[in-house]
Amino acid sequence: RKEVEQDPGPFNVPEGATVAFNCTYSNSASQSFFWYRQDCRKEPKLLMSVYSSGNEDGRFTAQLNRASQYISLLIRDSKLSDSATYLCVVRTDSSYKLIFGSGTRLLVRP
Amino acid sequence: SQTIHQWPATLVQPVGSPLSLECTVEGTSNPNLYWYRQAAGRGLQLLFYSVGIGQISSEVPQNLSASRPQDRQFILSSKKLLLSDSGFYLCAWNTRSTGRSSGEQYFGPGTRLTVT
Repeated sequence: RKEVEQDPGPFNVPEGATVAFNCTYSNSASQSFFWYRQDCRKEPKLLMSVYSSGNEDGRFTAQLNRASQYISLLIRDSKLSDSATYLCVVRTDSSYKLIFGSGTRLLVRP
Repeated sequence: SQTIHQWPATLVQPVGSPLSLECTVEGTSNPNLYWYRQAAGRGLQLLFYSVGIGQISSEVPQNLSASRPQDRQFILSSKKLLLSDSGFYLCAWNTRSTGRSSGEQYFGPGTRLTVT
């Protein structure tokens, strides 16, 4: 079983749609959680950290469910510029290392 | 503010040739440094990480090596490249962290390596 699993997609949605991505992680000791965005042929960039109580940054909302070991990202009012691959990322408490999911690809069409 | 540089941006090398990729970080001290590889259409694979000068941890056995000669410099090398070494090489940094929501890494622009 992979340490971090994501649906690879692609998710193909029209502009203005709401889309949600899910991610599961296998290590119950994981303590820090992030969503990164990666554009084609570019480096990953931090989108947002995920906090236990859930958090929002503009059109983006992240949720964490520790009991189910599940993380989600909700994007409201999708823009063409949101088209990218979204990486779910987990850090275990005892390590400096991050574990990356393989990513979910989002395509927003006009 | 902190910035991370990688060079070269792209590289085409024949099988069996040596490799040297460089990464430098500015605006921070004592960073943790990381080398990742991303094969086409695949996820990120951690290759090496370093918590200090001369301290290198290898994650995956391979024909690559890493060195950290200075606090903010991280080098990825190979004596003889294989076809399977082709990929997108990314350097990243973070600071030694405390607390539950920390440890995020910041990536350089990457080097795209094609071994022919």
